[in-house]
Amino acid sequence: KNEVEQSPQNLTAQEGEFITINCSYSVGISALHWLQQHPGGGIVSLFMLSSGKKKHGRLIATINIQEKHSSLHITASHPRDSAVYICAVDGWSGGGADGLTFGKGTHLIIQP
Amino acid sequence: NAGVTQTPKFQVLKTGQSMTLQCAQDMNHEYMSWYRQDPGMGLRLIHYSVGAGITDQGEVPNGYNVSRSTTEDFPLRLLSAAPSQTSVYFCASRTDSYNEQFFGPGTRLTVL
Repeated sequence: KNEVEQSPQNLTAQEGEFITINCSYSVGISALHWLQQHPGGGIVSLFMLSSGKKKHGRLIATINIQEKHSSLHITASHPRDSAVYICAVDGWSGGGADGLTFGKGTHLIIQP
Repeated sequence: NAGVTQTPKFQVLKTGQSMTLQCAQDMNHEYMSWYRQDPGMGLRLIHYSVGAGITDQGEVPNGYNVSRSTTEDFPLRLLSAAPSQTSVYFCASRTDSYNEQFFGPGTRLTVL
């Protein structure tokens, strides 16, 4: 079973700061997902990546397959970025098994 | 598209009662999954399906049943509710294991 670790667990920052959230996993994967969950809200997929880097607006996700590590960056952070950010990994399903393995999430608060 | 829908949003049960959490998607996705989210535990896979008529167990299947008679619907049945099943339940779907997952809004269940 893949072990997915996120750091930090909690992060409070000021508006405008550059934010980095880290995710490491123990076993080789086919893809890694970054998800966002606002308080009391649903879960939204931000990125799915298997190599390199992806960018969407102020969000950037990178992955290093060899080091089994991914980072999510937020540039020019804003209070509306306050949410829980969850890292999840897809194993090599082979036989068609589905379902992600999730980290416990990083609770981010951006203060005005 | 409505995406992934779940009903009810909230439910309170007494120990021993049974109920069905409904999940439907209108994106013609083959893969559907049920997760539960508990504080400090992250999301955990309960059951999943890779197509109509095909289901399998995830990490925490005990006390839950599923069936998949159509591509659109994937209900989760609690056979005899227990306080340990108090949680937030998310249904999710995707085209296959190489694409992003779409999550429903969640059902908050309390078992007294």
